[in-house]
Amino acid sequence: AQSVTQPDIHITVSEGASLELRCNYSYGATPYLFWYVQSPGQGLQLLLKYFSGDTLVQGIKGFEAEFKRSQSSFNLRKPSVHWSDAAEYFCAVGPMDSSYKLIFGSGTRLLVRP
Amino acid sequence: GAGVSQTPSNKVTEKGKYVELRCDPISGHTALYWYRQSLGQGPEFLIYFQGTGAADDSGLPNDRFFAVRPEGSVSTLKIQRTERGDSAVYLCASSLGLAGGNNEQFFGPGTRLTVL
Repeated sequence: AQSVTQPDIHITVSEGASLELRCNYSYGATPYLFWYVQSPGQGLQLLLKYFSGDTLVQGIKGFEAEFKRSQSSFNLRKPSVHWSDAAEYFCAVGPMDSSYKLIFGSGTRLLVRP
Repeated sequence: GAGVSQTPSNKVTEKGKYVELRCDPISGHTALYWYRQSLGQGPEFLIYFQGTGAADDSGLPNDRFFAVRPEGSVSTLKIQRTERGDSAVYLCASSLGLAGGNNEQFFGPGTRLTVL
């Protein structure tokens, strides 16, 4: 069965520090890959997506993610975290045969220390 | 409107009651999706509309759940004989054109349903 794993439930980083959020997926073929952010009281917002081509994807708010086929991973990174980045982050896949049917991981809550 | 809106933002009901949750998609978006997000989990797909028709309802958990989109814009998710396990945040999303990974899904803020 298709699945998305985000192994870290919570991550705490200091403001200005670098960040990496992990995501692994289980799927027969390379699916569409997404990262979303969810802030309290707000809808999910797309940070970035990968379909094909360059495996390093740039997104909004200074985020980037790298697709590694050999590891079935799509980790999210940011070189310097801001306090406003505190939120919940979701990795999602869209299977090639039904790419609209997003399958989400369980999320990683990011806390930022001042 | 500027984004996807959902009403009500919160709904508290009693076990066995009927509820309706409303979604107003972004104007011009032909694809509309419903997801359910349980506490501590990521959203789970429920149903996808293309225009007025439900193109994929494979995520609806059982026949107590039903959704309509009669005019191809606003959608209503209907839950009959609610159970405590239905308590969750119900998210709506819309996208432009044919659904697919290429078309970004824009999410609303959700409706938090609590079944007592």
